Amino acid sequence: DAKTTQPPSMDCAEGRAANLPCNHSTISGNEYVYWYRQIHSQGPQYIIHGLKNNETNEMASLIITEDRKSSTLILPHATLRDTAVYYCIVRRYGGSQGNLIFGKGTKLSVKP
Amino acid sequence: DSGVTQTPKHLITATGQRVTLRCSPRSGDLSVYWYQQSLDQGLQFLIQYYNGEERAKGNILERFSAQQFPDLHSELNLSSLELGDSALYFCASGGARGGLAASTDTQYFGPGTRLTVL
Repeated sequence: DAKTTQPPSMDCAEGRAANLPCNHSTISGNEYVYWYRQIHSQGPQYIIHGLKNNETNEMASLIITEDRKSSTLILPHATLRDTAVYYCIVRRYGGSQGNLIFGKGTKLSVKP
Repeated sequence: DSGVTQTPKHLITATGQRVTLRCSPRSGDLSVYWYQQSLDQGLQFLIQYYNGEERAKGNILERFSAQQFPDLHSELNLSSLELGDSALYFCASGGARGGLAASTDTQYFGPGTRLTVL
């Protein structure tokens, strides 16, 4: 079973920031938080990952709470092309434990 | 473009048949992961290969098998196909040159193969 909890759906107005929450209260110290998204039936697209510090890249920012039990993915200026299912995944890195366990994710709809 | 390629894009076949799906990982990646996405089960991990050797197994049926070749491309073989095997099959690659212990082994997914069993 997925070790994360996400709202099933969210709406966001185009041009506004999209804040997608994720709860992962049972996360272990050696587990990272990963975010992927899937647009229609395309292959999942890697967005960002982090361990305990906040992270930012050209796509998004990841804010992880100090206790690491939850995180928020922020798309700073959502566009219609950001409409997708967003998956929050916790995962140990490397070795034989490296596969991703996908839950149902959050369906983000960006509206004009 | 993730750099991972999968062929074919679409495959239509009949029950009882056998098919082979192919995946070429990103240049330098040593791991290949296979996932199945069906409407009722979501994205599920099937199997992982690392540098030619099986590394982890998920919910892969005995009718399914995979291998990774010396050039690191991988093939997923599906036999005795059933209607319920209709799904999207994705491969992902990771485990770049630094090795699994030295990196977080971020996985990058290919565009998938849509299998329809009639």
